[in-house]
Amino acid sequence: EIVMTQSPATLSVSPGERATLSCRASQSVSSNLAWYQQNPGQAPRLLIYGASTRATGIPARFSGSGSGTEFTLTISSLQSEDFAVYYCQQYNNWPPTFGQGTKVEIK
Amino acid sequence: QITLKESGPTLVKPTQTLTLTCTFSGFSLSTSGVGVAWIRQPPGEALEWLALIYWDDDKRYSPSLKSRLTITKDTSKNQVVLTMTNMDPVDTATYYCAHKGAAAGTLYFGYWGQGTLVTVSS
Repeated sequence: EIVMTQSPATLSVSPGERATLSCRASQSVSSNLAWYQQNPGQAPRLLIYGASTRATGIPARFSGSGSGTEFTLTISSLQSEDFAVYYCQQYNNWPPTFGQGTKVEIK
Repeated sequence: QITLKESGPTLVKPTQTLTLTCTFSGFSLSTSGVGVAWIRQPPGEALEWLALIYWDDDKRYSPSLKSRLTITKDTSKNQVVLTMTNMDPVDTATYYCAHKGAAAGTLYFGYWGQGTLVTVSS
């Protein structure tokens, strides 16, 4: 199974600043990568699929990039509602696997 | 509008079998390519995919849990059922069901239920 490794585990950012989250796959997943946002006590919300395509209703400040084994989620200007945990997920190989998450907290 | 909702026991004893039901609306599990998955999350931990059932009754399971899981669907009731045998305290988690879209190769999850917390304890 493909192991997804996210870094950093915690990212401290001030509101209005840019956040850059990383996700690395143990082998190539092509562009078959999704990003999710999870707020406390809530279900995950799909942000990005296909490594770079925003899901319906996701603000333009969220962008994804990368292919193969290295991926990045960028939040261009953090809003209060963006402080959450973010997970990447590969769906190139069975079984689909998630990273361990990056918590974006207020600095 | 697609919605999903999980239901089942909140507390099970070790060695018991857990049965969870996902009741959904806004899509049909008869539509080509569509699937429903179960994903769990232990408290404070990451997400773990468990199982998926496709529109054509194709079923996929997590290799590490395959011997304990069964997923079935009742298309007429818009329900998907997951059973997990021989429950252990390490299986304590919030269990989510989620919708997989119809497009081929799109094994990501655009819609999720609210989740149900299952605690395994004697």
